[in-house]
Amino acid sequence: TQLLEQSPQFLSIQEGENLTVYCNSSSVFSSLQWYRQEPGEGPVLLVTVVTGGEVKKLKRLTFQFGDARKDSSLHITAAQPGDTGLYLCAGARNYGQNFVFGPGTRLSVLP
Amino acid sequence: EAGVAQSPRYKIIEKRQSVAFWCNPISGHATLYWYQQILGQGPKLLIQFQNNGVVDDSQLPKDRFSAERLKGVDSTLKIQPAKLEDSAVYLCASSSLAGVIGEQYFGPGTRLTVT
Repeated sequence: TQLLEQSPQFLSIQEGENLTVYCNSSSVFSSLQWYRQEPGEGPVLLVTVVTGGEVKKLKRLTFQFGDARKDSSLHITAAQPGDTGLYLCAGARNYGQNFVFGPGTRLSVLP
Repeated sequence: EAGVAQSPRYKIIEKRQSVAFWCNPISGHATLYWYQQILGQGPKLLIQFQNNGVVDDSQLPKDRFSAERLKGVDSTLKIQPAKLEDSAVYLCASSSLAGVIGEQYFGPGTRLTVT
């Protein structure tokens, strides 16, 4: 059983469209991270959220941590082909514990 | 700043053979992680080192997997003997802060195929 679930599993959209991907759990997390992984490369950290209800923006990417700290979303505005990749969320149940990764959402942005 | 280096990038072996992977973390990073990423899944932590000591190896299949980090810098991960289900990408990561909100820097990974 996955501690973290991500949806959708796959997403293929046209350049310029908006999209949202989700990370959900029945557990509460002290902090949650989002990574992007491109083919043949390791994951790269995009953001860390630690406060329930927190919203962070990174250019066209908006990250939100749920009020109850059990879920998170990543919204991309005007997607570009360079956004293509595997988006992973990772959560730590308690401070000092290691992060556990979800299975990821594979995004493909077509030109 | 040089990133996390891993070698080899690709390895194909037959089941029951042995294989070793090497990782050189970012200079000065005390914490080193080895992950296994099976196709279609997220990375799964195998072992975490703090300097040259093991902090967490609870998910390491110790009957066939071993890892060491001599002198607290480079690390090697070994599989002996390999099974078909060991086919995966093995990722090494390092960080300067352990746990909490420490940022992990990942290497490119070694893609292992066991036939």
